[in-house]
Amino acid sequence: DAKTTQPPSMDCAEGRAANLPCNHSTISGNEYVYWYRQIHSQGPQYIIHGLKNNETNEMASLIITEDRKSSTLILPHATLRDTAVYYCIVPTGANSKLTFGKGITLSVRP
Amino acid sequence: DGGITQSPKYLFRKEGQNVTLSCEQNLNHDAMYWYRQDPGQGLRLIYYSQIVNDFQKGDIAEGYSVSREKKESFPLTVTSAQKNPTAFYLCASSTQDSPGGYGYTFGSGTRLTVV
Repeated sequence: DAKTTQPPSMDCAEGRAANLPCNHSTISGNEYVYWYRQIHSQGPQYIIHGLKNNETNEMASLIITEDRKSSTLILPHATLRDTAVYYCIVPTGANSKLTFGKGITLSVRP
Repeated sequence: DGGITQSPKYLFRKEGQNVTLSCEQNLNHDAMYWYRQDPGQGLRLIYYSQIVNDFQKGDIAEGYSVSREKKESFPLTVTSAQKNPTAFYLCASSTQDSPGGYGYTFGSGTRLTVV
Protein backbone atom coordinates (compact mmCIF):
# COMPACT_ATOMS: atom_id res chain seq x y z
CA ASP A 1 0.00 0.00 0.00
CA ALA A 2 1.07 3.58 -0.55
CA LYS A 3 2.64 4.93 2.63
CA THR A 4 0.50 7.14 4.82
CA THR A 5 1.63 9.32 7.70
CA GLN A 6 -0.60 10.27 10.60
CA PRO A 7 0.24 12.02 13.89
CA PRO A 8 0.03 9.57 16.79
CA SER A 9 -2.71 11.34 18.69
CA MET A 10 -4.94 14.35 19.04
CA ASP A 11 -7.84 15.48 21.14
CA CYS A 12 -10.82 17.73 20.79
CA ALA A 13 -13.71 18.95 22.88
CA GLU A 14 -17.09 17.29 22.70
CA GLY A 15 -19.35 19.05 20.24
CA ARG A 16 -16.51 20.59 18.29
CA ALA A 17 -15.24 19.46 14.92
CA ALA A 18 -12.41 16.94 14.87
CA ASN A 19 -10.05 17.32 11.91
CA LEU A 20 -7.80 14.30 11.46
CA PRO A 21 -4.93 14.78 8.97
CA CYS A 22 -3.21 12.21 6.79
CA ASN A 23 -0.30 12.56 4.39
CA HIS A 24 -0.03 10.24 1.38
CA SER A 25 2.49 11.97 -0.85
CA THR A 26 3.23 8.86 -2.96
CA ILE A 27 -0.38 8.23 -3.93
CA SER A 28 -1.02 7.40 -7.58
CA GLY A 29 -3.77 8.83 -9.74
CA ASN A 30 -6.14 5.87 -9.47
CA GLU A 31 -5.63 5.05 -5.80
CA TYR A 32 -8.36 5.70 -3.27
CA VAL A 33 -8.03 7.01 0.27
CA TYR A 34 -9.88 4.98 2.88
CA TRP A 35 -10.62 5.80 6.51
CA TYR A 36 -11.52 3.28 9.20
CA ARG A 37 -11.85 3.63 12.93
CA GLN A 38 -11.42 1.17 15.77
CA ILE A 39 -13.10 1.65 19.09
CA HIS A 40 -11.29 -0.09 21.91
CA SER A 41 -11.49 -3.90 21.74
CA GLN A 42 -13.72 -3.92 18.67
CA GLY A 43 -13.11 -4.59 15.00
CA PRO A 44 -12.34 -1.63 12.74
CA GLN A 45 -15.31 0.09 11.16
CA TYR A 46 -15.36 1.57 7.66
CA ILE A 47 -15.99 5.32 7.67
CA ILE A 48 -15.52 6.77 4.21
CA HIS A 49 -13.38 6.67 1.09
CA GLY A 50 -12.61 8.99 -1.81
CA LEU A 51 -10.57 9.41 -4.96
CA LYS A 52 -10.44 13.08 -5.94
CA ASN A 53 -13.57 14.85 -4.88
CA ASN A 54 -14.57 15.63 -1.35
CA GLU A 55 -16.96 13.11 0.10
CA THR A 56 -19.55 13.24 2.86
CA ASN A 57 -21.71 10.63 4.51
CA GLU A 58 -23.65 10.32 7.75
CA MET A 59 -20.48 9.69 9.73
CA ALA A 60 -17.91 12.12 8.39
CA SER A 61 -16.52 14.24 5.58
CA LEU A 62 -13.35 13.57 3.64
CA ILE A 63 -11.41 16.48 2.19
CA ILE A 64 -8.71 15.56 -0.32
CA THR A 65 -6.26 18.22 -1.47
CA GLU A 66 -6.10 19.06 -5.14
CA ASP A 67 -2.69 17.40 -5.54
CA ARG A 68 -4.08 14.36 -3.62
CA LYS A 69 -1.02 14.23 -1.38
CA SER A 70 -2.96 14.69 1.80
CA SER A 71 -6.47 14.41 3.17
CA THR A 72 -8.44 15.35 6.26
CA LEU A 73 -11.20 13.39 7.90
CA ILE A 74 -13.71 15.67 9.56
CA LEU A 75 -16.08 14.61 12.31
CA PRO A 76 -18.32 17.69 12.41
CA HIS A 77 -19.63 17.38 15.98
CA ALA A 78 -17.44 14.99 17.93
CA THR A 79 -18.99 12.99 20.75
CA LEU A 80 -17.39 10.90 23.48
CA ARG A 81 -18.29 7.81 21.43
CA ASP A 82 -15.96 9.03 18.67
CA THR A 83 -12.95 8.34 20.88
CA ALA A 84 -11.09 5.72 18.85
CA VAL A 85 -8.08 4.97 16.68
CA TYR A 86 -8.55 6.28 13.14
CA TYR A 87 -6.69 4.66 10.26
CA CYS A 88 -5.95 6.34 6.94
CA ILE A 89 -5.19 3.75 4.23
CA VAL A 90 -4.25 3.95 0.58
CA PRO A 91 -4.42 0.45 -0.88
CA THR A 92 -2.19 -0.22 -3.83
CA GLY A 93 -2.51 -2.57 -6.73
CA ALA A 94 -4.92 -5.27 -7.75
CA ASN A 95 -4.56 -7.23 -4.53
CA SER A 96 -7.26 -6.14 -2.18
CA LYS A 97 -5.56 -6.58 1.18
CA LEU A 98 -5.41 -3.48 3.35
CA THR A 99 -2.51 -2.52 5.58
CA PHE A 100 -3.41 -0.93 8.91
CA GLY A 101 -0.67 1.10 10.57
CA LYS A 102 -0.88 2.52 14.07
CA GLY A 103 -3.39 5.19 13.06
CA ILE A 104 -4.18 8.31 15.05
CA THR A 105 -5.75 8.08 18.48
CA LEU A 106 -8.54 10.63 18.86
CA SER A 107 -9.59 11.46 22.39
CA VAL A 108 -12.80 13.46 22.75
CA ARG A 109 -12.95 15.25 26.09
CA PRO A 110 -16.16 16.34 27.85
CA ASP B 1 -28.85 -8.64 9.29
CA GLY B 2 -25.73 -9.46 7.32
CA GLY B 3 -22.39 -9.47 9.02
CA ILE B 4 -19.38 -11.38 10.25
CA THR B 5 -19.47 -13.57 13.31
CA GLN B 6 -16.34 -14.50 15.19
CA SER B 7 -16.43 -17.00 17.97
CA PRO B 8 -15.62 -17.31 20.72
CA LYS B 9 -15.07 -13.74 21.98
CA TYR B 10 -12.55 -14.90 24.59
CA LEU B 11 -10.44 -18.04 24.40
CA PHE B 12 -7.95 -19.50 26.82
CA ARG B 13 -5.57 -22.27 25.92
CA LYS B 14 -2.59 -23.98 27.40
CA GLU B 15 0.78 -23.52 25.78
CA GLY B 16 1.47 -26.15 23.14
CA GLN B 17 -2.15 -26.72 22.18
CA ASN B 18 -3.58 -25.94 18.77
CA VAL B 19 -6.70 -23.80 18.74
CA THR B 20 -9.14 -22.90 15.95
CA LEU B 21 -10.88 -19.55 15.71
CA SER B 22 -14.15 -19.40 13.83
CA CYS B 23 -15.16 -16.75 11.28
CA GLU B 24 -18.46 -16.86 9.39
CA GLN B 25 -19.95 -14.22 7.07
CA ASN B 26 -23.34 -13.99 5.37
CA LEU B 27 -22.50 -10.97 3.22
CA ASN B 28 -21.77 -13.03 0.11
CA HIS B 29 -18.28 -11.53 0.05
CA ASP B 30 -15.64 -13.29 -2.00
CA ALA B 31 -12.59 -12.23 -0.01
CA MET B 32 -11.83 -12.95 3.64
CA TYR B 33 -8.91 -11.99 5.87
CA TRP B 34 -7.34 -12.71 9.22
CA TYR B 35 -5.46 -10.03 11.15
CA ARG B 36 -3.63 -10.07 14.42
CA GLN B 37 -3.42 -7.07 16.76
CA ASP B 38 -1.09 -6.69 19.72
CA PRO B 39 -1.58 -4.00 22.39
CA GLY B 40 -0.93 -0.50 21.08
CA GLN B 41 -0.17 -1.76 17.60
CA GLY B 42 -1.85 -1.73 14.23
CA LEU B 43 -3.29 -4.78 12.52
CA ARG B 44 -1.00 -7.31 10.86
CA LEU B 45 -2.24 -9.58 8.10
CA ILE B 46 -1.95 -13.31 8.76
CA TYR B 47 -3.74 -14.95 5.82
CA TYR B 48 -6.24 -13.94 3.18
CA SER B 49 -8.45 -15.69 0.68
CA GLN B 50 -9.98 -14.16 -2.42
CA ILE B 51 -11.88 -17.23 -3.56
CA VAL B 52 -13.03 -20.58 -2.23
CA ASN B 53 -10.32 -23.25 -2.00
CA ASP B 54 -7.54 -20.68 -2.37
CA PHE B 55 -5.64 -18.60 0.17
CA GLN B 56 -2.36 -16.73 0.48
CA LYS B 57 0.04 -15.97 3.28
CA GLY B 58 0.08 -12.49 4.69
CA ASP B 59 2.89 -10.78 6.52
CA ILE B 60 2.97 -13.03 9.61
CA ALA B 61 1.70 -16.47 8.51
CA GLU B 62 4.23 -18.57 10.41
CA GLY B 63 2.57 -20.70 13.09
CA TYR B 64 -0.91 -20.29 11.60
CA SER B 65 -3.02 -22.25 9.14
CA VAL B 66 -6.34 -21.61 7.40
CA SER B 67 -8.87 -23.29 5.14
CA ARG B 68 -11.53 -21.95 2.80
CA GLU B 69 -13.84 -24.82 1.92
CA LYS B 70 -16.96 -22.64 1.84
CA LYS B 71 -17.46 -19.06 0.78
CA GLU B 72 -19.00 -18.21 4.13
CA SER B 73 -16.31 -19.66 6.38
CA PHE B 74 -12.61 -18.94 6.94
CA PRO B 75 -11.36 -20.62 10.15
CA LEU B 76 -7.92 -19.86 11.54
CA THR B 77 -5.86 -22.41 13.45
CA VAL B 78 -3.19 -21.15 15.80
CA THR B 79 -0.69 -23.96 16.04
CA SER B 80 1.85 -24.78 18.72
CA ALA B 81 4.51 -23.45 16.34
CA GLN B 82 3.30 -19.88 16.90
CA LYS B 83 5.74 -18.46 19.45
CA ASN B 84 3.58 -15.67 20.87
CA PRO B 85 -0.06 -16.54 20.19
CA THR B 86 -1.63 -14.31 22.83
CA ALA B 87 -3.29 -11.51 20.86
CA PHE B 88 -6.53 -10.05 19.54
CA TYR B 89 -7.56 -11.75 16.28
CA LEU B 90 -9.79 -10.05 13.75
CA CYS B 91 -11.53 -11.51 10.73
CA ALA B 92 -12.75 -9.39 7.82
CA SER B 93 -14.43 -9.80 4.47
CA SER B 94 -14.74 -7.62 1.41
CA THR B 95 -16.28 -7.34 -2.01
CA GLN B 96 -14.55 -6.15 -5.10
CA ASP B 97 -17.64 -4.51 -6.48
CA SER B 98 -17.44 -1.06 -4.89
CA PRO B 99 -15.23 1.67 -6.31
CA GLY B 100 -11.72 0.82 -5.24
CA GLY B 101 -13.07 -2.49 -4.02
CA TYR B 102 -11.73 -2.20 -0.52
CA GLY B 103 -14.74 -1.79 1.76
CA TYR B 104 -13.95 -4.20 4.56
CA THR B 105 -16.42 -5.50 7.14
CA PHE B 106 -14.82 -6.72 10.35
CA GLY B 107 -15.97 -9.14 12.98
CA SER B 108 -15.88 -8.25 16.68
CA GLY B 109 -12.69 -10.21 17.27
CA THR B 110 -11.45 -13.10 19.40
CA ARG B 111 -9.09 -12.41 22.27
CA LEU B 112 -6.81 -15.42 22.65
CA THR B 113 -4.80 -15.92 25.81
CA VAL B 114 -2.28 -18.73 26.04
CA VAL B 115 -1.17 -19.67 29.53
